[in-house]
Amino acid sequence: DAMVIQNPRYQVTQFGKPVTLSCSQTLNHNVMYWYQQKSSQAPKLLFHYYDKDFNNEADTPDNFQSRRPNTSFCFLDIRSPGLGDAAMYLCATSEGKWNEQFFGPGTRLTVL
Amino acid sequence: ELKVEQNPLFLSMQEGKNYTIYCNYSTTSDRLYWYRQDPGKSLESLFVLLSNGAVKQEGRLMASLDTKARLSTLHITAAVHDLSATYFCAASSRMNRDDKIIFGKGTRLHILP
Repeated sequence: DAMVIQNPRYQVTQFGKPVTLSCSQTLNHNVMYWYQQKSSQAPKLLFHYYDKDFNNEADTPDNFQSRRPNTSFCFLDIRSPGLGDAAMYLCATSEGKWNEQFFGPGTRLTVL
Repeated sequence: ELKVEQNPLFLSMQEGKNYTIYCNYSTTSDRLYWYRQDPGKSLESLFVLLSNGAVKQEGRLMASLDTKARLSTLHITAAVHDLSATYFCAASSRMNRDDKIIFGKGTRLHILP
């Protein structure tokens, strides 16, 4: 089945220790998104790729970076995680910008 | 700037009852989405509504869109416990300069047996 896969599902890191979350898709969609979702809140868009075109939201901290080496994979790098970065990180894909999004299972990040 | 408001934000209801969740958006939108999220899980796409008067149904859930009123509704018929979840609506518009999908805050639905 075509799907969006995220690894790891759970990630524990220490304050200030860099971490990378990965997302892959078999849907062959041209747009990939990263969202941060904290408890009882709506998902917050961090950035998205439209093909190789990277788009950063204005309020996304510099601490967050992303890479998309090919159509199938996208990575979220958190350079120096703080306690406030503990959250669920959701990857989504769509065919065309802002069309129906298909979400991966998420990575729950804990920062100690 | 596109804004999306859902209400109610919390809803506790008994099994067998009907209820409606409302989603208002502030500017012209050409597509409206409903998602379901179970606790600790990701978002699951329920409905995509693309035109005025669109109505879609899946089981006990029915979604509709009124673009003139800038309103979408998610109606629950004869609720069952399995429908307990958080429901998000989201709107997008390519006509806005600030072109993106905007999510509502979500409606946390708790269905009592």
